[in-house]
Amino acid sequence: KNEVEQSPQNLTAQEGEFITINCSYSVGISALHWLQQHPGGGIVSLFMLSSGKKKHGRLIATINIQEKHSSLHITASHPRDSAVYICAVGAIYNQGGKLIFGQGTELSVKP
Amino acid sequence: EAGVAQSPRYKIIEKRQSVAFWCNPISGHATLYWYQQILGQGPKLLIQFQNNGVVDDSQLPKDRFSAERLKGVDSTLKIQPAKLEDSAVYLCASGVGPNTEAFFGQGTRLTVV
Repeated sequence: KNEVEQSPQNLTAQEGEFITINCSYSVGISALHWLQQHPGGGIVSLFMLSSGKKKHGRLIATINIQEKHSSLHITASHPRDSAVYICAVGAIYNQGGKLIFGQGTELSVKP
Repeated sequence: EAGVAQSPRYKIIEKRQSVAFWCNPISGHATLYWYQQILGQGPKLLIQFQNNGVVDDSQLPKDRFSAERLKGVDSTLKIQPAKLEDSAVYLCASGVGPNTEAFFGQGTRLTVV
């Protein structure tokens, strides 16, 4: 079993829909990252959080440390949100700060 | 602020050839990571530098892969000789330090034929 699991693996939505991507992890963490990867490979950091909730524009990230679970929400989705969303954690046991990545969720938003 | 720069963006080589990738991290970032991302998978750490020292290279296939960061700034990753299974996107990331937010470059897409 992977230390970081994301669901769903693939998601197709209609423009305007509210989207939720989930991430569960099994290790103690120092922080959790949500990343966005567009075709071509480049990765953009969306959020880094260790507790509570963060919001940036139409994106909201929440984390529940006790349940070892995080969610990424996209409100009023748009075709330009189509990308792979990756959850990654910095494990406490790794003092070097190496990130452990989930497999990613491929999101496609249709107009 | 300039981001993490990587070059080349794309590279196609034949198996058994050699290839090198270059990364220039964000100025002042002491930590530099090289990740390998095979299609359909999440990135896997190959090597992590703290300044010019190696922190973690446990998943680097040392028989064919090598990396250096001689002056603690930019870094090169080399594959010699390449195999078909090395086809992947190679991502460089940097951070102020370990356990801080990591900033990623655009990646180098390698195709080995």
